[in-house]
Amino acid sequence: DAEITQSPRHKITETGRQVTLACHQTWNHNNMFWYRQDLGHGLRLIHYSYGVHDTNKGEVSDGYSVSRSNTEDLPLTLESAASSQTSVYFCASSKWTGLYGYTFGSGTRLTVV
Amino acid sequence: EDKVVQSPLSLVVHEGDTVTLNCSYEVTNFRSLLWYKQEKKAPTFLFMLTSSGIEKKSGRLSSILDKKELFSILNITATQTGDSAIYLCAVMASGGSNYKLTFGKGTLLTVNP
Repeated sequence: DAEITQSPRHKITETGRQVTLACHQTWNHNNMFWYRQDLGHGLRLIHYSYGVHDTNKGEVSDGYSVSRSNTEDLPLTLESAASSQTSVYFCASSKWTGLYGYTFGSGTRLTVV
Repeated sequence: EDKVVQSPLSLVVHEGDTVTLNCSYEVTNFRSLLWYKQEKKAPTFLFMLTSSGIEKKSGRLSSILDKKELFSILNITATQTGDSAIYLCAVMASGGSNYKLTFGKGTLLTVNP
């Protein structure tokens, strides 16, 4: 069955370290998205991609980067982790048209100490 | 900038009560409105609404969209403890040839026995 998987499920890292969160989908979806979820803020869009080699900034992109070298993967990199980036991160994907909403991964809980 | 506002932000009820969750929006190039339920992990899809006045139903849950007044409601009748979750409203808007989802902050529903 097609799926979208995130790894790791949990991560603790130190301030200043580079961290990469993985997202892999086998739906063959063109569109992929990264959100962070924090109490009082809901889901906020970090970066998104509409296809290979396409990346776009969302509303909270500072300190994050993504690259899309194939259809299946959209890794999210925190260049220099900060305590403010402690959050739950969700990856999602959708068909080209996006008309049927998004399929979400199970999330990565990141703690920056 | 696209905006989605949910109310109330949190709600505590007793089993058997009926609840109504609200979602208002201001977006450019509206395509559809989606409701998700989020328990401990990833949001799971409930409804997608594209036309005004047509109620979508699934068991004890129902939802309707008003595109003139720019809002939607999600009703849950005869609530059960298993309905306890965060309910997310999201609006799909088109940008060029692609689509993007903007989320509200969610309503935390707690159903007490």
